[in-house]
Order: sequence, then structure tokens, then C-alpha cells
Amino acid sequence: EVQLVQSGAEVKEPGESLRISCKGSGYIFTNYWISWVRQMPGKGLEWMGRIDPRDSSINYSPSFQGHVTISADTSISTAYLQWNTLKAADTALYYCARHDGRTDYWGQGTLVTVSS
Amino acid sequence: DIQMTQSPSTLSASIGDRVTITCRASQNIHSWLAWFQQRPGKAPKVLIYKATTLESGVPSRFSGSGSGTEFTLTISSLQPDDFATYYCQQYTAYSPWTFGQGTKVEIK
Repeated sequence: EVQLVQSGAEVKEPGESLRISCKGSGYIFTNYWISWVRQMPGKGLEWMGRIDPRDSSINYSPSFQGHVTISADTSISTAYLQWNTLKAADTALYYCARHDGRTDYWGQGTLVTVSS
Repeated sequence: DIQMTQSPSTLSASIGDRVTITCRASQNIHSWLAWFQQRPGKAPKVLIYKATTLESGVPSRFSGSGSGTEFTLTISSLQPDDFATYYCQQYTAYSPWTFGQGTKVEIK
């Protein structure tokens, strides 16, 4: 069974760093791109970027370039989304999803709350 | 970036109604368009990809049409499970991917 299992909810203060994860199972991890998608409270979906785990090539949305880092560790079939300096505006639900011609499986989402 | 404009933002409809949602791309995306359904508190679910291809397991009352810059998602006969928010997304190889702003389908 294909699954993308994301790490648990996080509560952080502004200025802190954070890395959340997305572990794939039930398929060959390197055969599918992984995208990250943000959903702010009560708002729509925003595509942040994608990684090809096979060669770690990454494309970012200009809206997120420079503020987040996407990476992957193929040895443990896991993709990551990382912030070095969180802001209150980063409070949102973050989804990972896999893609190969279509985006078919999604993680359950990781809620990130940034508040002082 | 390629901008995706969905209309309407909200749609009120009754069970059995035919519903159409439109998505316009700011430039030619050929057929690189997907439609997603999102129910409250749930992850999105793909309905249609490559503009017209129905995802396996998705009811046949859902259909997609269009190419280039104009696309539509049609629900031929609205069912109780279909009250949700729908998003289009372009996924061209030559541009960052983008979603439309969403269309909420409400009970009339």
C-alpha cells in the first residue's frame, strides 16, 4: 500500500528553525517526484516546490525560493521541508505529495504553528 | 509564473444539478492540468489529470475538458459527497506549478 507519512505537528517561536519530513512507503521512492504544498488557515493550496529524489534536482516556486529548503534522503525514502528562520506567517498546514504524470498520493499534512 | 484563475469562487447547487467550474491559464499549458477535490480536514484528492483523464476510482460523473488556456471540470449530477472545494493545478515542465484559488461547492 502506497503511503506518505508526515511528521507530527510543531509549535515554534519566530526566528527558530524547523525541518518536517515525509516518508514514502509501498513504492520505489526514487521513481516519483515529491512536491510540498502549503495551506494557510482557511485558505487555498499553494505549491511550494518539488524534488526529484533520483538526482535531487529541485524546482521552487518564486514565492518560496530562498525561504525554505527541500531535500530528500533516498536511503530512508524521506523528503524534507526546512526553514532556517520561521515567521508567524509560516503558520499553516503543509502537505507532501508524490507525482509521476499526476499527483496521486498525499501525506496527511503537518500543522506548523509559529507564535511567540 | 503561470497564473491560474478559477471561476466561480463559490457555487451554490442542489443534488442532481450539473455543475461546471472553469480554470483559465495565463499562458498555454497544453494539457498539463489537474483537478483536485478537497473536503474539510482532508488532503486533496486527484479527480482528473492531463486535462481530461479520469483518475482510477473516481466516479464517471466527473469529467474534464479543454486545452491550451481554457479548462472546465463538470459534475454531471451533483451528489452529497461532492460538496467540497475544487482546485485546478497546472504542472508544466517549464514553469513552477501553480494552483487556482479554489471553488467551493455549497448546498443550495
